[in-house]
Amino acid sequence: DQQVKQNSPSLSVQEGRISILNCDYTNSMFDYFLWYKKYPAEGPTFLISISSIKDKNEDGRFTVFLNKSAKHLSLHIVPSQPGDSAVYFCAASGHGNNRLAFGKGNQVVVIP
Amino acid sequence: KAGVTQTPRYLIKTRGQQVTLSCSPISGHRSVSWYQQTPGQGLQFLFEYFSETQRNKGNFPGRFSGRQFSNSRSEMNVSTLELGDSALYLCASSLGSSTGELFFGEGSRLTVL
Repeated sequence: DQQVKQNSPSLSVQEGRISILNCDYTNSMFDYFLWYKKYPAEGPTFLISISSIKDKNEDGRFTVFLNKSAKHLSLHIVPSQPGDSAVYFCAASGHGNNRLAFGKGNQVVVIP
Repeated sequence: KAGVTQTPRYLIKTRGQQVTLSCSPISGHRSVSWYQQTPGQGLQFLFEYFSETQRNKGNFPGRFSGRQFSNSRSEMNVSTLELGDSALYLCASSLGSSTGELFFGEGSRLTVL
């Protein structure tokens, strides 16, 4: 059973515009949420995270929003750059462990 | 600082065989996790080791096993291989904190014929 879901498998966006990736989860025990980025032939790379006690976390061009009541989080990339073209995975974990449940990923293509 | 190193990068096995994959974590990292990535199921958690002890285990059959050595290096073993075991096996390390912020290797691509 997929506990973390990412719809819209692919997204194309113009350079300089905003990329918005969405993620839904079903397990209310999750309390830590992360986004990973993956380039071809490489392992995933940690991008940004948010604890369940927050509703927003920002790191440079990347912002993650968490809506606990809706069990929904989103990643905003502003402005999008060609180097952001990659697969983005949403992940979640429960308190005190590194057992991550991953979504199936979103392919983002940033068009120069 | 060297990253997470996984060997071998690619391997081909036949059904019924067994395979051992190796992972060397980032120096100083004591937690090693393993994930299986397939097109159909995505990334799925196999197990996590910390200080030579299995700390978490995913929902995989007993054919999948692992261990961690005193130098934090880890191995995973899959016995009696099935076609469905064809996947990218990813190892990830962390200092040991349980925040989910993991450093992944490039993976070992296993093909079962």
